[in-house]
Amino acid sequence: QVQLQESGPGLVKPSETLSLTCNVSGASVSSKTYYWSWIRQPPGKGLEWIGYIYYGGSTSYNPSLKSRVTISEDSSKNQFSLQLTSVTAADTAVYYCAGLYHGHFDYWGQGTLVTASS
Amino acid sequence: DIQVTQSPSSLSASVGDRVTITCRATQDISNSLAWYQQTPGKAPKLLLYAASRLQSGVPFRFSGSGSGTDYALTINSLQPEDFATYYCQQYYSIPYTFGQGTKLEIK
Repeated sequence: QVQLQESGPGLVKPSETLSLTCNVSGASVSSKTYYWSWIRQPPGKGLEWIGYIYYGGSTSYNPSLKSRVTISEDSSKNQFSLQLTSVTAADTAVYYCAGLYHGHFDYWGQGTLVTASS
Repeated sequence: DIQVTQSPSSLSASVGDRVTITCRATQDISNSLAWYQQTPGKAPKLLLYAASRLQSGVPFRFSGSGSGTDYALTINSLQPEDFATYYCQQYYSIPYTFGQGTKLEIK
């Protein structure tokens, strides 16, 4: 069974960089099976796909965030990470990591709330 | 971007009822649609993909239908654990996009 767990600071100052890590078990971040993704959900609102990283390090990002987002992987730790630069209050959300398979998100982490505030 | 619009945004029903939630895309998405269930404080859970294929372990009272731009999620014989928020998601093209959600509440 694939399991994912997000970790990182719960509070980020405006204009600074949000950094989160997703630890994966039950699957390899280096495999060709899953696209490893980040999704966010502002409090009380809907879901927004941020982007993914795939085998060999190829990435795809939501154009709405592309200029500020980097997703990377560390195969030695079986982890992948999200960096979002120049955060504002609008980036306050629960951030989920997920395993994407043929376009649908089969596995999700529990989510971590990140608040952008001074 | 392909937008997906769900309706209704909220719905009240009773245990044992049958309910239907619809999702409309701004262009033909060729059955590239998934449905998720989210309960408060939890991550979404995949229910169906390819518009009508039930994810392993999901009860058979959940079903999906549709084609082209219009899709539906039907829940037969509502159970107490089904009261949650439901989202559709298109994966026909990037960026993947979600509907705004339908909150299913107990009447």
